[in-house]
Amino acid sequence: GAVVSQHPSRVICKSGTSVKIECRSLDFQATTMFWYRQFPKQSLMLMATSNEGSKATYEQGVEKDKFLINHASLTLSTLTVTSAHPEDSSFYICSAFADRVTGELFFGEGSRLTVL
Amino acid sequence: GQQLNQSPQSMFIQEGEDVSMNCTSSSIFNTWLWYKQDPGEGPVLLIALYKAGELTSNGRLTAQFGITRKDSFLNISASIPSDVGIYFCAGQEGGSEKLVFGKGTKLTVNP
Repeated sequence: GAVVSQHPSRVICKSGTSVKIECRSLDFQATTMFWYRQFPKQSLMLMATSNEGSKATYEQGVEKDKFLINHASLTLSTLTVTSAHPEDSSFYICSAFADRVTGELFFGEGSRLTVL
Repeated sequence: GQQLNQSPQSMFIQEGEDVSMNCTSSSIFNTWLWYKQDPGEGPVLLIALYKAGELTSNGRLTAQFGITRKDSFLNISASIPSDVGIYFCAGQEGGSEKLVFGKGTKLTVNP
């Protein structure tokens, strides 16, 4: 099946620093990628839709200046958590459509962010 | 954001038993997807459904796209310990690329 890879899988940072998470589609091109946030024992909540070559579309309540998304190529989207604070600690997951027609969405392995 | 109603929230079963979980929505969906998530991992696609009434199997897993297009169920037959995890349903509305997720069903299988 299609492969979506995230890096890093785990990151610990100090409060006030910025953290970048990468999401790559390894065997297909993805003009659109999605970023989710998942709190412990909860479902996935869509944060934003990342569009290659254009601005990301953010869900209501998600601060675009806080969560910077860049989709510079057809295989890479990045999420940067700027000036991270402890409440930003979470599991961040990206996904991409391997086949837009069928709607099959494949997920990355996730990135666990811990802000001290 | 919008979420599907997924039930049950958790299940504790004995190895060998069959399992059934379902999702319902107030909206009509064009696609239903079922995922499994292990701790610390991203969700993995199990089954994808595209047509109302469609019944699809993947090994011991069977899922159906409800006739009304507002519901779907997932069955696991003859459960084994490695079936433990959280199962999520997800639906895609017509004209939208976004997926709406259920809250998940946590499955525990006792050997």
